[in-house]
Amino acid sequence: GAVVSQHPSWVICKSGTSVKIECRSLDFQATTMFWYRQFPKQSLMLMATSNEGSKATYEQGVEKDKFLINHASLTLSTLTVTSAHPEDSSFYICSAEQYTYEQYFGPGTRLTVT
Amino acid sequence: DQQVKQNSPSLSVQEGRISILNCDYTNSMFDYFLWYKKYPAEGPTFLISISSIKDKNEDGRFTVFLNKSAKHLSLHIVPSQPGDSAVYFCAARSTNTGNQFYFGTGTSLTVIP
Repeated sequence: GAVVSQHPSWVICKSGTSVKIECRSLDFQATTMFWYRQFPKQSLMLMATSNEGSKATYEQGVEKDKFLINHASLTLSTLTVTSAHPEDSSFYICSAEQYTYEQYFGPGTRLTVT
Repeated sequence: DQQVKQNSPSLSVQEGRISILNCDYTNSMFDYFLWYKKYPAEGPTFLISISSIKDKNEDGRFTVFLNKSAKHLSLHIVPSQPGDSAVYFCAARSTNTGNQFYFGTGTSLTVIP
């Protein structure tokens, strides 16, 4: 149980285009989902917290107009990287909270912007 | 400012021996701590957690110890197995100030057969 999927697992896009990443909780309902970004050899950095049906809460320094988050249902959250640039290339990971304090992570999405 | 620190970027242990991974934190408001295991290009996998009301939590080969006065926690793996080779992250949160987790920078564990 408690499986979280992400799609796509990797994506290459051209600079200036937008990319959407989906995060799904497969066997449970997640009232809260989180989006993280991991740079090489660094820790996971929380980007935003999204609650179903409400606006996402972004961490300081994260551009909300660039990283659009939509949490349309209790099992789906999407992250759209708008007008992507090479510096946006990274490993993006989502997680979903089933019960308080327990977060289950997706497998991650490798984004490469050329 | 890194509120959760893992000062050992890597650790090598012989199979069958004990692996001890350490984590320090600076925020005294943290009251819930977790350890995650991560393979390259995959998402972290939850291992074990501990609340600040406890000083020890055990689950099979994994035991987490919490020393609140020292703001230190450790993960013990006994006996270590080659399949345990991965990057281990500790994470902390304050349940009074929201859902945000603060992650350490990770320790890469290699268990030598």
